[in-house]
Amino acid sequence: KQEVTQIPAALSVPEGENLVLNCSFTDSAIYNLQWFRQDPGKGLTSLLLIQSSQREQTSGRLNASLDKSSGRSTLYIAASQPGDSATYLCAVTHGFQKLVFGTGTRLLVSP
Amino acid sequence: GAGVSQSPSNKVTEKGKDVELRCDPISGHTALYWYRQSLGQGLEFLIYFQGNSAPDKSGLPSDRFSAERTGGSVSTLTIQRTQQEDSAVYLCASSPFQATDTQYFGPGTRLTVL
Repeated sequence: KQEVTQIPAALSVPEGENLVLNCSFTDSAIYNLQWFRQDPGKGLTSLLLIQSSQREQTSGRLNASLDKSSGRSTLYIAASQPGDSATYLCAVTHGFQKLVFGTGTRLLVSP
Repeated sequence: GAGVSQSPSNKVTEKGKDVELRCDPISGHTALYWYRQSLGQGLEFLIYFQGNSAPDKSGLPSDRFSAERTGGSVSTLTIQRTQQEDSAVYLCASSPFQATDTQYFGPGTRLTVL
């Protein structure tokens, strides 16, 4: 059974810091990995999708890497801003149809 | 263009009642997914549609839960004889073809069973 774990569970940083969120998964037979953000009371917003054949994806201040063989992904956020405060979820596509989600990292960026 | 929409946004019901939750996917998206997010359980997969067919129903927690999709578009998730443990946020997502594509999520329906 695929299990996805995220570390840390919560993170609080001052504005401007660079930070790394970690995601690990137990079964390397994935098709892709997605990073989402979730704001309180709202749905999920897709940030980055990395196909299993790729090593990284970048969007603005965000960079996600994937090491499929070791079952790890990281989300790097550069020059964090208060607007980055949210819960960040990673999810792997497993069994070809469904996303298996991690437990999430709750990020707070203080002004 | 319009994103995934869900209705109602909030639903409060009494234990034992039936509820219907609706999802309107992005136009043209053939794949549709239902997930549930509850306290202490995280986000869990319920069911996947490709067109009007549901090749994967493995996440439905009991036979009180059912879903259908008509015209390759709108989907309805029905929960019969609701229980308090059904209280959660029910999220719908769609993607252009299959799960190797980005999934786009709706805002969710918050269900509270009293």
